[in-house]
Amino acid sequence: QSALTQPPFASGSPGQSVTISCTGTTSNHVSWYQQHPGEAPKLMIFDVTERPSGVPDRFSGSKSGSTASLTVSGLQAEDEAIYYCTSSAGDFIWVFGGGTKLTVL
Amino acid sequence: EVQLVESGGALVQPGGSLKLSCVISGLTFSGGPMNWVRQAPGKGLEWVSHIDSSRTTYADSVKGRFTTSRDTARNSLYLQMHSLRVEDTAVYYCVTDNHWAFDYWGQGTLVTVSS
Repeated sequence: QSALTQPPFASGSPGQSVTISCTGTTSNHVSWYQQHPGEAPKLMIFDVTERPSGVPDRFSGSKSGSTASLTVSGLQAEDEAIYYCTSSAGDFIWVFGGGTKLTVL
Repeated sequence: EVQLVESGGALVQPGGSLKLSCVISGLTFSGGPMNWVRQAPGKGLEWVSHIDSSRTTYADSVKGRFTTSRDTARNSLYLQMHSLRVEDTAVYYCVTDNHWAFDYWGQGTLVTVSS
């Protein structure tokens, strides 16, 4: 059950776009989570590209080969958080990435 | 509104046991897939266990020591933990599972393993 690889840090200015990568995904069941300090994580993307109801369309997901990506467009101050990817590793087992701290400059 | 409320977290000595509970409301729980996910202080997320109508699975780090169970009549999920180690110290989240993603999370309960 090897962890997925994410860059530890990412940053961008308000209005810009930022992309966070997640390497080592072996299935199309990739999801992304946003976690603000002291709060539980929140689902932002599932099945690589799908957004749950209520998640702004500024958040989008993609995947190429074994690397999944989360793109946040039109960065806003409230997007500053830690983002985690996760993927099914088969047989109802999941692995998480180490998390990426996104800073809005 | 979906709500998941965990309880049972405590300070326990290494080698000890503890049982966590999670009460689910606001959704049809019976047979639905559920998970436990944990987060050590200042660290990332770690999937711990999954349960559905036909299987229970565990991360290698807890296999043989932790047992997940459910009581559909009580809309409750449980995590029985034995042989606890210092590295099991974490906030434990009860999480629903939809489309292979973790969609609803509880607020978490803190387990501290220390002498």
